[in-house]
Amino acid sequence: EPEVTQTPSHQVTQMGQEVILRCVPISNHLYFYWYRQILGQKVEFLVSFYNNEISEKSEIFDDQFSVERPDGSNFTLKIRSTKLEDSAMYFCASSELAQASGGELFFGEGSRLTVL
Amino acid sequence: QQQVKQSPQSLIVQKGGISIINCAYENTAFDYFPWYQQFPGKGPALLIAIRPDVSEKKEGRFTISFNKSAKQFSLHIMDSQPGDSATYFCAAYNTDKLIFGTGTRLQVFP
Repeated sequence: EPEVTQTPSHQVTQMGQEVILRCVPISNHLYFYWYRQILGQKVEFLVSFYNNEISEKSEIFDDQFSVERPDGSNFTLKIRSTKLEDSAMYFCASSELAQASGGELFFGEGSRLTVL
Repeated sequence: QQQVKQSPQSLIVQKGGISIINCAYENTAFDYFPWYQQFPGKGPALLIAIRPDVSEKKEGRFTISFNKSAKQFSLHIMDSQPGDSATYFCAAYNTDKLIFGTGTRLQVFP
């Protein structure tokens, strides 16, 4: 069964360092998302991406965050200068159709980011 | 208005019992209400979903009941099994994002 894959599974970094989280969405999917989950809390939307541009972003997704689809298969989330409060599980998700059209969202297993 | 409120926070059920998780929302623009199941160390996985033009949807042991006028929806798990032990999130769709509830940790004991 096709799946969304994410790397790394766990990354530990020092505050102020740049981090890149990588995702390989399901191959025929066109809509891409990043969500995050702080330990024990709810899953929060960060950003949606379609047709090589951001379609929507949350207030969490400030200037230190960026997303890119550099080569047609990978979808990356960059955090420019990490803060302690960025420690969370980051989930990549993809869907074949827009959710407004009934597209099912498939999540990866997540990348745990720990900022020291 | 963008929130989805979920209760209870945790739920303990005997094997064979019914698990019921409730959610409420404010924003009437929400038009798609999925439930996600999450096992430890895994990403959320879609369990079942409903649109507001339907009051109930059943898939196997899982049923969503939807009350549009009350802006509430609930997940019922019939004949709960130990393998159902997981965290369950309700969610509501708005524009291009899902707004998740705070989650319910379900434990089903044999």
